[in-house]
Amino acid sequence: KAGVTQTPRYLIKTRGQQVTLSCSPISGHRSVSWYQQTPGQGLQFLFEYFSETQRNKGNFPGRFSGRQFSNSRSEMNVSTLELGDSALYLCASSYGQGALTGELFFGEGSRLTVL
Amino acid sequence: GIQVEQSPPDLILQEGANSTLRCNFSDSVNNLQWFHQNPWGQLINLFYIPSGTKQNGRLSATTVATERYSLLYISSSQTTDSGVYFCAVGGLGGTASKLTFGTGTRLQVTL
Repeated sequence: KAGVTQTPRYLIKTRGQQVTLSCSPISGHRSVSWYQQTPGQGLQFLFEYFSETQRNKGNFPGRFSGRQFSNSRSEMNVSTLELGDSALYLCASSYGQGALTGELFFGEGSRLTVL
Repeated sequence: GIQVEQSPPDLILQEGANSTLRCNFSDSVNNLQWFHQNPWGQLINLFYIPSGTKQNGRLSATTVATERYSLLYISSSQTTDSGVYFCAVGGLGGTASKLTFGTGTRLQVTL
């Protein structure tokens, strides 16, 4: 079956703009979470959605937001982009949530460059 | 939150050698996974192993949850094994799905 699909794969923005990234989870998976990877901070958890509700949130400013739709697809948005937002953004899906999460599967990522 | 430490940070091996990567974590976990990150950035699942031992071909992993560590064994390494290996853990209850990643072990396998 198809894996986790992220779009776009690459994008370039300028400071002050906003960006929306999309993630389609594995069919049947209801949990979607987002991670940011940078050379300096490594892989960091952004937030998790399950049944259209945010269940966990990492330590990121309010400029980072997300949502999940009824078909489990998720989007994340970053507003007022800063140079430091340049990163690989990874989406993961799993069947359950919390203690019933099980294994997480990651997409190929969206690589954002902010100029 | 949970702290995750991986060792060694860097490892250079000749093809055919064996290696052991270690992951220490600071608290009880409900979720532990090992990943290999390919050159394009995708995290490839190796093992989902919150406890016990698993094997998959030349790779095997053991997690001793009571002592808060996990080991990834790579035997007869090949150049295609090169890359960064990450250990990631999720805590108890509702935080099991919130993975905390280690800083990774960068493996280079040479001919």
